Amino acid sequence: GEDVEQSLFLSVREGDSSVINCTYTDSSSTYLYWYKQEPGAGLQLLTYIFSNMDMKQDQRLTVLLNKKDKHLSLRIADTQTGDSAIYFCAENSRDDKIIFGKGTRLHILP
Amino acid sequence: EAGVTQFPSHSVIEKGQTVTLRCDPISGHDNLYWYRRVMGKEIKFLLHFVKESKQDESGMPNNRFLAERTGGTYSTLKVQPAELEDSGVYFCASSPYRDRGRRGNSPLHFGNGTRLTVT
Repeated sequence: GEDVEQSLFLSVREGDSSVINCTYTDSSSTYLYWYKQEPGAGLQLLTYIFSNMDMKQDQRLTVLLNKKDKHLSLRIADTQTGDSAIYFCAENSRDDKIIFGKGTRLHILP
Repeated sequence: EAGVTQFPSHSVIEKGQTVTLRCDPISGHDNLYWYRRVMGKEIKFLLHFVKESKQDESGMPNNRFLAERTGGTYSTLKVQPAELEDSGVYFCASSPYRDRGRRGNSPLHFGNGTRLTVT
């Protein structure tokens, strides 16, 4: 079945880079997404990548896609306290639903 | 442009009571989705409307859940009677109409969610 896996926790020192990893199962997914949820807030679309790309960069964010291994990562450069949140990886399912992982809680150490 | 809005933001009810959640999508978005996140678990799909029609309701847990989107604008999700395991955060999302011939959704815009606690 369809499944998206990601680690549940990540701790990073302020100023360092954060790398959040994700694996997915549907090789026919057209889009892969990263959503961010800050405390008490909704899901904010952070970035997304088309499956025919292997990298996308947007300011401090870099998304890497390894389609062969079905591996997606999100790198946040120069991590700030405001980056503290839960980050959800998501893919399109075969029947066009979006399948989410359980989310990675990013904790910033001073 | 106003985003997706959900009401209420929090609801605490007793087991056996009824609760109705409301979602106002972004104006002009034909697609409206309901998702749910139970504590610590994945965000799970519940159902999908295209305008006023239910496109896919395969994620609805059981017949205690009823979703409507009369007129193709706002949507309601009613839980009756509520059970303890219904506690969680209910998210609504919307997206513009998409050509069904193309695979892949345009990104969904989510609301802030309704946190439902059943005691």
